[in-house]
Amino acid sequence: EPEVTQTPSHQVTQMGQEVILRCVPISNHLYFYWYRQILGQKVEFLVSFYNNEISEKSEIFDDQFSVERPDGSNFTLKIRSTKLEDSAMYFCASRLQGAGVNQPQHFGDGTRLSIL
Amino acid sequence: DQQVKQNSPSLSVQEGRISILNCDYTNSMFDYFLWYKKYPAEGPTFLISISSIKDKNEDGRFTVFLNKSAKHLSLHIVPSQPGDSAVYFCAASSNTGNQFYFGTGTSLTVIP
Repeated sequence: EPEVTQTPSHQVTQMGQEVILRCVPISNHLYFYWYRQILGQKVEFLVSFYNNEISEKSEIFDDQFSVERPDGSNFTLKIRSTKLEDSAMYFCASRLQGAGVNQPQHFGDGTRLSIL
Repeated sequence: DQQVKQNSPSLSVQEGRISILNCDYTNSMFDYFLWYKKYPAEGPTFLISISSIKDKNEDGRFTVFLNKSAKHLSLHIVPSQPGDSAVYFCAASSNTGNQFYFGTGTSLTVIP
């Protein structure tokens, strides 16, 4: 069964550095998402992406964050000037279709980001 | 603003019995509801969903019930098995599909 893959599984970065989290969505999916889960807290929406642009973003997704689909397969989340509070599990998800069609998101296994 | 709430952080059930996990939501624009299962060190795995035009959807041992007037949904697992032990998240979205809102999760333990 096709799956969403995320790399790396664990990323350790010094505070203030930039980090890029990578995701390969399911190949025929058109909608892409990033979520994060701080330890012990709920899964929080960051951003959705369709047709090479952001569809929606949350308050968390400020100028520190950006997303990109640099080629036909990868979907990346860049976090600039990382802070201690950015430490979390970051999940990528993809979905076959979007508006008006009820379909589930499929998640990768996440990248654990640790900011030191 | 917690638009999807799971008020029970944990639940323990004997193997073979029914597990009932509950979820409440506040946004009347939500029309698609899902349950995800999550094991440690893995991403959420889609389990079952229901659209707002239905009040019940069944898939094997899993049944989701939706009560729109009460803004409440529940997941029934019967019979419960030890392998069902995981954290269960409910989620909801409107028909834009641009954002899914997750509850805080319920940790289910099925005791052999």
